[in-house]
Amino acid sequence: GAGVSQSPSNKVTEKGKDVELRCDPISGHTALYWYRQSLGQGLEFLIYFQGNSAPDKSGLPSDRFSAERTGGSVSTLTIQRTQQEDSAVYLCASSLAVGNTEAFFGQGTRLTVV
Amino acid sequence: DAKTTQPPSMDCAEGRAANLPCNHSTISGNEYVYWYRQIHSQGPQYIIHGLKNNETNEMASLIITEDRKSSTLILPHATLRDTAVYYCIVRVARGGSTLGRLYFGRGTQLTVWP
Repeated sequence: GAGVSQSPSNKVTEKGKDVELRCDPISGHTALYWYRQSLGQGLEFLIYFQGNSAPDKSGLPSDRFSAERTGGSVSTLTIQRTQQEDSAVYLCASSLAVGNTEAFFGQGTRLTVV
Repeated sequence: DAKTTQPPSMDCAEGRAANLPCNHSTISGNEYVYWYRQIHSQGPQYIIHGLKNNETNEMASLIITEDRKSSTLILPHATLRDTAVYYCIVRVARGGSTLGRLYFGRGTQLTVWP
């Protein structure tokens, strides 16, 4: 595709349910990032994938959060047993892995836990 | 991790130059400075990046001090559409690589007024 695609664009879920958020990066981009942004706040790093290397999971806030990247392309962020404080916009970005190139962001998934 | 400090808000008159400062006093030698902006309800948009030399593109200019401890983003002729949160970022290298996660601070809310 032309850009980073995220789905769904909006998700409302009940507290305690599991959710899956999807990210389709730009074709050929081997680096993929997940961030989240709570209302009125800056971007909080969650996880970073780079090719076949072990992902940098240092930003995941708890063991309820996990992410996978299958075949080096599509990534899924899973939140188990959602809590109200998980409500935020979840942003995905991708970039080329050669040199210092810019990351392109998707429009995000707005998650609301009620 | 190298972190950044930015003023929380700035104003600029339309047509005038907007100069957005950023401090990154703990930046490492192989860490680049990136600037992104985020217009309300959209994903962050790349603007420019640099290592130690000044850079210019169609959107902006980036001035990095000789000691690399601070930088300034210059929008030469601000328009109303430039109203956004501007993030100064350093790319946190890992294992000697120049790639890695992007650390976002709180950013500067730039308001361009007519």
